[in-house]
Amino acid sequence: DIQMTQSPSSVSASVGDSVTITCRASQTIETYLNWYQQRPGQVPKLLIYAASTLQSGVPSRFSGSGSGTDFTLTISSLQPEDFAVYYCQESYSPLYSFGQGTRLEIK
Amino acid sequence: QVQLVQSGAEVKKPGASVRVSCEASGYTFTDYYMHWVRQAHGQGLEWMGMINPRSSDSADAPKFQGRLTLTRDTSTSTVYLDLGSLRSDDTAIYYCARAAHRDLRQLSFYFFDHWGQGTLVTVSS
Repeated sequence: DIQMTQSPSSVSASVGDSVTITCRASQTIETYLNWYQQRPGQVPKLLIYAASTLQSGVPSRFSGSGSGTDFTLTISSLQPEDFAVYYCQESYSPLYSFGQGTRLEIK
Repeated sequence: QVQLVQSGAEVKKPGASVRVSCEASGYTFTDYYMHWVRQAHGQGLEWMGMINPRSSDSADAPKFQGRLTLTRDTSTSTVYLDLGSLRSDDTAIYYCARAAHRDLRQLSFYFFDHWGQGTLVTVSS
């Protein structure tokens, strides 16, 4: 099974800051990597697929990069609505494993 | 517009079974795989399994094998999750999620673009 590990587990930042979240796969997943945002009490929302392709309607302050085993999600110029939990997910294997999540909190 | 509407909350006793439904609308039901993901309170997302609504072929995570059954009814565009031998640690919100795909750089990428609203299953004696 592919293990997905996110870091940090939580991060505090202020509105207007830039934040980077890292996701590491236990084996290569090429660019089969998705990112989701989950606000409190809400359903997960797709942000990025194929490691770097922004889903339609997602603001351009979100960006993704990486390939192989190491990936990043960067959120520039944080907005109040961006404070949420972020999950990476591999779609390389038929198990679609998720990372454990990174909580982005307001400083 | 695409909608996935799930059945209501359930309370079950340990050892019982539960069925959660997910009715799809706004797209061709048989064109997209449907996945199930669960989330215990305050915890992360856990992939459970998927079904091909066209063929009814399904696959599930090893930890659920023998307890999880995924089915579909094409006449009502509904997929079903049946989970048996329930334990207290099965208490969670269960989501269905549609898997879309895009072909990029000569590769096919799958991702969950629409989610149901979630169904809370509580297992308690």
